[in-house]
Amino acid sequence: AQSVAQPEDQVNVAEGNPLTVKCTYSVSGNPYLFWYVQYPNRGLQFLLKYITGDNLVKGSYGFEAEFNKSQTSFHLKKPSALVSDSALYFCAVRDEGAGNMLTFGGGTRLMVKP
Amino acid sequence: DTGVSQDPRHKITKRGQNVTFRCDPISEHNRLYWYRQTLGQGPEFLTYFQNEAQLEKSRLLSDRFSAERPKGSFSTLEIQRTEQGDSAMYLCASSLGSSIQYFGAGTRLSVL
Repeated sequence: AQSVAQPEDQVNVAEGNPLTVKCTYSVSGNPYLFWYVQYPNRGLQFLLKYITGDNLVKGSYGFEAEFNKSQTSFHLKKPSALVSDSALYFCAVRDEGAGNMLTFGGGTRLMVKP
Repeated sequence: DTGVSQDPRHKITKRGQNVTFRCDPISEHNRLYWYRQTLGQGPEFLTYFQNEAQLEKSRLLSDRFSAERPKGSFSTLEIQRTEQGDSAMYLCASSLGSSIQYFGAGTRLSVL
């Protein structure tokens, strides 16, 4: 079975400050990891993914995430937050050998204040 | 717009009625997925098609739910005898092979 935990329901950060949204996962095999963002009344938009290779992956809108196998984590980061980054962020995992379904975390609401 | 398209965007129905949702994937994508998202939760996988074949089904997909993708292009998700617990956002996604899944805006179902 695969699972994802996003321990923070909400993260508050001031505009211009760095942000981190946490994600830990559990899979039996090799993980494929994803971050998606959801704006109100919109579907999920893909931000970035880790499949293999460099542990630091860069994605859209200046976001990046670091894969840490020993800590089974895939935290989302951005060096300088924008007010427009305020949204709901979802981490998702797919087990390489266990089908095509994505398992999502419960989401973290990011609030960036001016 | 060449993204994933879902119709309708909103559906209000009375308990016991049947509803059907449609999803049009990105044109060259051979895989299509349905997820359900309830308020305050992450999306939960329901089912997945490769071309016209339904290859995976979640235990969440009760007998009242049926999904089709008859020609390997658009898909429909039907819920029979709706219950209040079916109220949720139903999301469709598509992908080319096992690559990134791209999501539509969803259909929000409200069962009264």
